[in-house]
Amino acid sequence: KQEVTQIPAALSVPEGENLVLNCSFTDSAIYNLQWFRQDPGKGLTSLLLIQSSQREQTSGRLNASLDKSSGRSTLYIAASQPGDSATYLCAVRPVSNYQLIWGAGTKLIIKP
Amino acid sequence: DVKVTQSSRYLVKRTGEKVFLECVQDMDHENMFWYRQDPGLGLRLIYFSYDVKMKEKGDIPEGYSVSREKKERFSLILESASTNQTSMYLCASTTPGGVQSDGYTFGSGTRLTVV
Repeated sequence: KQEVTQIPAALSVPEGENLVLNCSFTDSAIYNLQWFRQDPGKGLTSLLLIQSSQREQTSGRLNASLDKSSGRSTLYIAASQPGDSATYLCAVRPVSNYQLIWGAGTKLIIKP
Repeated sequence: DVKVTQSSRYLVKRTGEKVFLECVQDMDHENMFWYRQDPGLGLRLIYFSYDVKMKEKGDIPEGYSVSREKKERFSLILESASTNQTSMYLCASTTPGGVQSDGYTFGSGTRLTVV
């Protein structure tokens, strides 16, 4: 059964720091992995989608990597800003199931 | 640029009312989903549709039904609203699974309060 784990559960850092959020999954049979951002009381915004054949994707200050063989993905945020404060969720789309399998999220606080 | 639209941002309904939550997507996606999100419980799948008039139960379908008469529209129905259905409801859409399948696109959510 696919399980997705995100570490850490919460992170508080000063503005300007580079940081890494981690996501691990137990079954490498996936179509893709997706990182989302959620602000309090709001919907989910897709940040990056990595297909199973890809190693990384970049969007602005965000870079996500995927190592399918080891079951790991990282989300790298460069030069963090207070506006980056949110909960970050990763989800995998397994080959064997129509459902996304979700991590519990990392709550990120960037202090001015 | 809005791709998945949920008809209401906030709703307040009374216990026992029949409630309709509407979701429309403009990306020609085959798959559509309804989730609810509650603190400490994460996202839980209520229903899923992979084609017009097709539906599949998710993890928590009790008390809900769905309708998909057109490809772009997926409706969630609370037959008789109860206070334990107070929650954030999120709609999503995507293409069928495959090596280059689209990611999921979510709507902005509907916060439903049942009093």
